[in-house]
Amino acid sequence: RKEVEQDPGPFNVPEGATVAFNCTYSNSASQSFFWYRQDCRKEPKLLMSVYSSGNEDGRFTAQLNRASQYISLLIRDSKLSDSATYLCVVPTGSARQLTFGSGTQLTVLP
Amino acid sequence: ETGVTQTPRHLVMGMTNKKSLKCEQHLGHNAMYWYKQSAKKPLELMFVYSLEERVENNSVPSRFSPECPNSSHLFLHLHTLQPEDSALYLCASSHEYGGTGTSFSTDTQYFGPGTRLTVL
Repeated sequence: RKEVEQDPGPFNVPEGATVAFNCTYSNSASQSFFWYRQDCRKEPKLLMSVYSSGNEDGRFTAQLNRASQYISLLIRDSKLSDSATYLCVVPTGSARQLTFGSGTQLTVLP
Repeated sequence: ETGVTQTPRHLVMGMTNKKSLKCEQHLGHNAMYWYKQSAKKPLELMFVYSLEERVENNSVPSRFSPECPNSSHLFLHLHTLQPEDSALYLCASSHEYGGTGTSFSTDTQYFGPGTRLTVL
């Protein structure tokens, strides 16, 4: 299994839809996880941190399943401004490095 | 000015040129990072500095040379690059480097806007 693997995408959804992305990781010892958002030709920006079973912030919910070693990101009531690439990020090595997934591209259509 | 800044934002250079990328963080962080992002590829960690000391060097060719004169500034010196080195170079910082104890967790990293480098 790759250190971090994400849904390949792209996801094209209409405004108002609910969309979910999955991410699997190989290191069972990892404790903290991150979802970053990267707009086209911009830097990644932190969207959510996940330290326990999950985290919710408005329309965004991140869930962690340690037994199956995956993290999911759920976006409810999608907005046009949610269009971006979503990066799953997991600490690896001696926990001193972050490994980034290849990203899942989301396009929200009017 | 707040956050992480990078200059220049865009750079075009020939294979024989020497140039430097600059990163500055205004967050009071102790760790700074250089990443490379090529088209359609995940971010690749290049170098890590913690308290101005290089702690990681992920098999990066010697034509890339980092420098960290203090905890707020990070440079990436470039010389005799190849066209395949064209990419977005991102600087990031975090409060501390690495996990805490045995928790196997790590601090959030905050990114600068990047330098888009084209090597002709």
